[in-house]
Amino acid sequence: AQSVTQPDIHITVSEGASLELRCNYSYGATPYLFWYVQSPGQGLQLLLKYFSGDTLVQGIKGFEAEFKRSQSSFNLRKPSVHWSDAAEYFCAVGARGGSQGNLIFGKGTKLSVKP
Amino acid sequence: DAGVTQSPTHLIKTRGQQVTLRCSPKSGHDTVSWYQQALGQGPQFIFQYYEEEERQRGNFPDRFSGHQFPNYSSELNVNALLLGDSALYLCASSLAWVAGGAETQYFGPGTRLLVL
Repeated sequence: AQSVTQPDIHITVSEGASLELRCNYSYGATPYLFWYVQSPGQGLQLLLKYFSGDTLVQGIKGFEAEFKRSQSSFNLRKPSVHWSDAAEYFCAVGARGGSQGNLIFGKGTKLSVKP
Repeated sequence: DAGVTQSPTHLIKTRGQQVTLRCSPKSGHDTVSWYQQALGQGPQFIFQYYEEEERQRGNFPDRFSGHQFPNYSSELNVNALLLGDSALYLCASSLAWVAGGAETQYFGPGTRLLVL
C-alpha cells in the first residue's frame, strides 16, 4: 500500500541551527513528492516539489530537499533555522500522470525553535 | 491574484445534522480536491471534482458528497454528522491537465468543523 512516513513527530532546534526533517515513502513507482508547511490554524503552504530532473530541489524560505530513490526518501533541509519556521511540516506523494487528486500525506513533524 | 478561499472559517454542529462547506479555487484553476485533517494527523483525501463531476474518491462513506459549479467553485456536504467528523476540512485547487502531469495543488485555509 502507498504510504508516507515521517518518523519524527516533534523536533526542537535552536535558532540558527541546521534542520533536517525525514520523509520516507512506499510507492509502486517514482512518485511526485512535495513538502508543505502548516502554521497553527492555517492551511497548507507548498514549500517545494520534485517531479523530475535534479534530485536536489530548492524551495521557498531557504528550504531544500533531496530525492534519494535508493532510500525511498525525500528529506527536507534548511541550513539555518529562523524562529518563524516553527510550524508543522508535511511530506506528501502524488501519482505520476494525469490528475493528482489523491495526495498521500505523512502525519507531519512539528518543529519548535528555541531562541 | 486571489488564492483558494473557503467558507465558513469555523462551524459548530450537533450529531445528526448536515453541513455544507464552500470553496473557491485559485484563479485559473479548474479542479478542486477536498481533504479532511483530524487533529494531529495529516490530511486525508476525500474526493476531487473536475468538469462538475467527481473524478476520484478516497475512503470516505457516502455521507460525504460534493458538487462543482460551472465557475469551478465547489461544495462539500456531510450528512448525518458524527462526532468523528470533527476536523479541519481543506480545499485544494489545481489544473487538471498539465504537460507532464506535473500540476500542483494549492490549499485554502480550511474550515474547522466541530460536531457536538
